[in-house]
This record gives sequence, C-alpha cells and structure tokens, in this order.
Amino acid sequence: GAGVSQSPRYKVAKRGQDVALRCDPISGHVSLFWYQQALGQGPEFLTYFQNEAQLDKSGLPSDRFFAERPEGSVSTLKIQRTQQEDSAVYLCASSPEPKGGDTQYFGPGTRLTVL
Amino acid sequence: DQQVKQNSPSLSVQEGRISILNCDYTNSMFDYFLWYKKYPAEGPTFLISISSIKDKNEDGRFTVFLNKSAKHLSLHIVPSQPGDSAVYFCAAVSGAGSYQLTFGKGTKLSVIP
Repeated sequence: GAGVSQSPRYKVAKRGQDVALRCDPISGHVSLFWYQQALGQGPEFLTYFQNEAQLDKSGLPSDRFFAERPEGSVSTLKIQRTQQEDSAVYLCASSPEPKGGDTQYFGPGTRLTVL
Repeated sequence: DQQVKQNSPSLSVQEGRISILNCDYTNSMFDYFLWYKKYPAEGPTFLISISSIKDKNEDGRFTVFLNKSAKHLSLHIVPSQPGDSAVYFCAAVSGAGSYQLTFGKGTKLSVIP
C-alpha cells in the first residue's frame, strides 16, 4: 500500500516568506509526527498529533512554526517569515498506534532552503 | 547537548564482513532504543529495537547489543551486503508509552563489493 507522502519534495523560499509543507499519512494512522533534520544532524522532534488533536508541540522552535491536522488525516506544517536557520529537511511520520513508539513510518521529507 | 551520540560519521566495510555501528547515550531515563536505516532521498526506516530489560536482540543479519552500565549500544550486521550501504541512526525513547524519539547524528555505512 501507499506509504507516507510529503509535498513539495523541495522548496526554496526567500527569507521572510511563509511556507506550507504537506504530509499525507498512511490511511487510518492515528498518530502523526513532524521532525526537523538539519544538515549533518539527526531528526529532531517538533510536534505530535493523535487524530486531530495536537497533543505535544514542545519541539516547535518558535511561534513562527504552526502545525495542524484538522480532520485527523492530512497535516500541514506552516512556517511564517522564514529565516535561514529554518533550512532543513522536514520529515513527517505516522503510526497506527497512539504515541507510535517503534511503529513510526517516515515520509521522504521536504527539503526547505531559505535564501 | 546531544543525548544520543554516534561518534563515527562514516564506516567502510568489505562485503561479507561484519559491520559494527556504535551509539552512546547520556540520559539514564532512556529505556527503549531503536535503529533506523536511511537511503538518500528517502525517510528513515525502522530496522531493529531493544528494550532496556534486554542486552541483545537479533533479527536475521542484524543484532543490537545494549550495555546499560556503559550507556552504550551497538548494531552488528553480519554478513554485510552492498545494499546495506545507507545512513544508520540510533534513537532512544524514555518512559512507557513515550513517543518522542531522540536521534543521534547518524553513521554513513559503505559496504564495498
């Protein structure tokens, strides 16, 4: 079956622009996660949804970052007034289980470059 | 401060030999550890995991060893195959039902035919 998909795969933004990154999880998966992976680093947790509820947003680096999952399926990560330090790969993962654990299935990521 | 450390950015191994990837952690609250494999332009894929109540878990060619006293784990791949060439991430979680994966920086494994 289809895995986690993310779009766009690549995004170039000028500093100060707003961007929206989309994640289509595996159908029926209740948990959805966003991670940020800077160059040469491992993924870092940003936020967690269980269905439509955002249960944890402790990893969001600033109030310029906003995530939503209004109908409990597709999720969007929005970054307002992008800065150069926002350049990274943004990974989405979903899981059929609440909280996920080792059953997180990752998408290919969106590579964001802020000029 | 990095709570999960993979101190070797890269590793080259001959096909058929053993690959050993190492990982150290500093947070004694971590009680579940995972290894992920990542090919270029793809997301990480779960490979194998181990609970802190065990010291070894084996799955085919892959074995993970955990030394809690040393806060160290390692992934052994035997025999190594060219298709194993990828970046390997060590990750950890703390607490039952926890979901926040803390990743290391990864080790790029190259298996030379």
